[in-house]
Amino acid sequence: GQSLEQPSEVTAVEGAIVQINCTYQTSGFYGLSWYQQHDGGAPTFLSYNALDGLEETGRFSSFLSRSDSYGYLLLQELQMKDSASYFCAVSTPDSNYQLIWGAGTKLIIKP
Amino acid sequence: DAGVIQSPRHEVTEMGQEVTLRCKPISGHNSLFWYRQTMMRGLELLIYFNNNVPIDDSGMPEDRFSAKMPNASFSTLKIQPSEPRDSAVYFCASSLALVAGYTQYFGPGTRLTVL
Repeated sequence: GQSLEQPSEVTAVEGAIVQINCTYQTSGFYGLSWYQQHDGGAPTFLSYNALDGLEETGRFSSFLSRSDSYGYLLLQELQMKDSASYFCAVSTPDSNYQLIWGAGTKLIIKP
Repeated sequence: DAGVIQSPRHEVTEMGQEVTLRCKPISGHNSLFWYRQTMMRGLELLIYFNNNVPIDDSGMPEDRFSAKMPNASFSTLKIQPSEPRDSAVYFCASSLALVAGYTQYFGPGTRLTVL
């Protein structure tokens, strides 16, 4: 089967750095995406990694290791507004243009 | 660009009534997805379309649910008859399948409450 695993909840302090991990088992792989969803809102696209390495976009960075079937989302200088759920999702050659989703990680930020 | 448009934003109905949710995808996108989200079950894919054709409806809970996409700019999700357990937020998302990562853009959702 195809599956993604990510922690259900992560807690961090305002101003700190937090890493949200995602491991995947899929038949084939194109890339790993991250989405953010605030309470009461819709998921919004954050980043996409197709190649190994770190991609940085402001305070957020996303990392991929294809050989380890692993990626993470790194959030720096945490702000209260970063409190949200974060989903990893994988695209594959067999998925017929749909994404395979993780269950989401709820990020709780304490002052 | 207006983004994905969903209507209504909120729907409260009584058990047994028919409910129709509507979605207008982003212009030019050729894939459309219907999701349901609850605290208990998380984000579930119900059905998706490529070029207006249903590809996978294995996520549709039962025959009470049906979805159509009569053209590239409109889709509906219908529940008939509705039941309290159908209460959830229903999201529509669209994507351009040729874009790397199959990035999906979500509408604001319809919050459905079945009494």
